[in-house]
Amino acid sequence: SQQGEEDPQALSIQEGENATMNCSYKTSINNLQWYRQNSGRGLVHLILIRSNEREKHSGRLRVTLDTSKKSSSLLITASRAADTASYFCATDAFIGGSEKLVFGKGTKLTVNP
Amino acid sequence: EPEVTQTPSHQVTQMGQEVILRCVPISNHLYFYWYRQILGQKVEFLVSFYNNEISEKSEIFDDQFSVERPDGSNFTLKIRSTKLEDSAMYFCASSEAGLGFNSQPQHFGDGTRLSIL
Repeated sequence: SQQGEEDPQALSIQEGENATMNCSYKTSINNLQWYRQNSGRGLVHLILIRSNEREKHSGRLRVTLDTSKKSSSLLITASRAADTASYFCATDAFIGGSEKLVFGKGTKLTVNP
Repeated sequence: EPEVTQTPSHQVTQMGQEVILRCVPISNHLYFYWYRQILGQKVEFLVSFYNNEISEKSEIFDDQFSVERPDGSNFTLKIRSTKLEDSAMYFCASSEAGLGFNSQPQHFGDGTRLSIL
């Protein structure tokens, strides 16, 4: 897998259902962040989870981090049509000789009303 | 809520021309970044900037690229001689803290869509 690879690439659910997106990475990290991007807009920060944390909540969002498996998941509960967007994980890591935020390709979430 | 603003929203430029993309980061932030996103692809890190100098840069950020903070509010990305493959969305971001264990979220602007003809 690549550094910051989301799964699935696309997800379509009905309003009210939960959506789970996963992210895998290769190197050790300082933290992992999840961002949302609506079509044609910039990225909006959702949650930052540090390498010594295992779970974090923010409203309807729940993020887990398993550093032994080098994976993270983002759960959106009770989804709404307004949650339709692309979701990206980004790892804060020292890669290729520089400290940077490396983004995955994202999961495109569609929530049908 | 304070936000990062970018101008222009869309820039169309002939190949070989110079282009300057402008950003106004959030006022109390000290760390600034540029990223690009080619259509349908990942968001890619270009450069980070702190204390009036480049902290990190990626292999994409070659001699054709430069960044500047000309005054207390603006942060610019210049591409000296644009190529067709420079066509992308360019995002500026700022944060209160740099990368690392104690890093803080990065706040992104809505981007500049750069089209090279």
